[in-house]
Amino acid sequence: AQKITQTQPGMFVQEKEAVTLDCTYDTSDQSYGLFWYKQPSSGEMIFLIYQGSYDEQNATEGRYSLNFQKARKSANLVISASQLGDSAMYFCAMREGLLDTGTASKLTFGTGTRLQVTL
Amino acid sequence: DGGITQSPKYLFRKEGQNVTLSCEQNLNHDAMYWYRQDPGQGLRLIYYSQIVNDFQKGDIAEGYSVSREKKESFPLTVTSAQKNPTAFYLCASSPRDRASNQPQHFGDGTRLSIL
Repeated sequence: AQKITQTQPGMFVQEKEAVTLDCTYDTSDQSYGLFWYKQPSSGEMIFLIYQGSYDEQNATEGRYSLNFQKARKSANLVISASQLGDSAMYFCAMREGLLDTGTASKLTFGTGTRLQVTL
Repeated sequence: DGGITQSPKYLFRKEGQNVTLSCEQNLNHDAMYWYRQDPGQGLRLIYYSQIVNDFQKGDIAEGYSVSREKKESFPLTVTSAQKNPTAFYLCASSPRDRASNQPQHFGDGTRLSIL
């Protein structure tokens, strides 16, 4: 089974509108973290926002916010007031077993959503 | 500025040839990672290293090898045993502390193609 599922291969949004990118995850761990990254056409991965499984508040970073629904195992990214520069691939990723010791913080990535912002 | 440098940006491999991708970081991070990205897919973990002189296989290690002789450097060798090496390769690093919200920081990637 996929650990991270992003069901929207592509999305369009008009400039200045808000858009939600979906992410569902599968884990049996109680302590985990969820990350969103942006990948422009140039290829680098840019960290956007983080949500920990024990965080009571939804994470926010500027125009980015995370709609975290733990019982539904979803962590959707909301981008408000879209800009042309937001056009990129967006990846959801998960780090499991945060309380384990002795292992590196491996990430599992979804297949991504390509967002296109239009005028 | 602190960051991760990957070189070269583009690399071409002949059949039966080994090639090495460079990754250097000056973020003083203990952990380093190599990912492979194919078109339309997410990132898949090849190898990772938590400390110098130690590394672990990821999900798709076959046909690849790594070394970690210095904290700053984590080169990846794509061997001739990797039959489908054409992909985009990304190197990342992070602090070793797992119980935190520290993200992995990525380099700009190396695009490898077969001649």
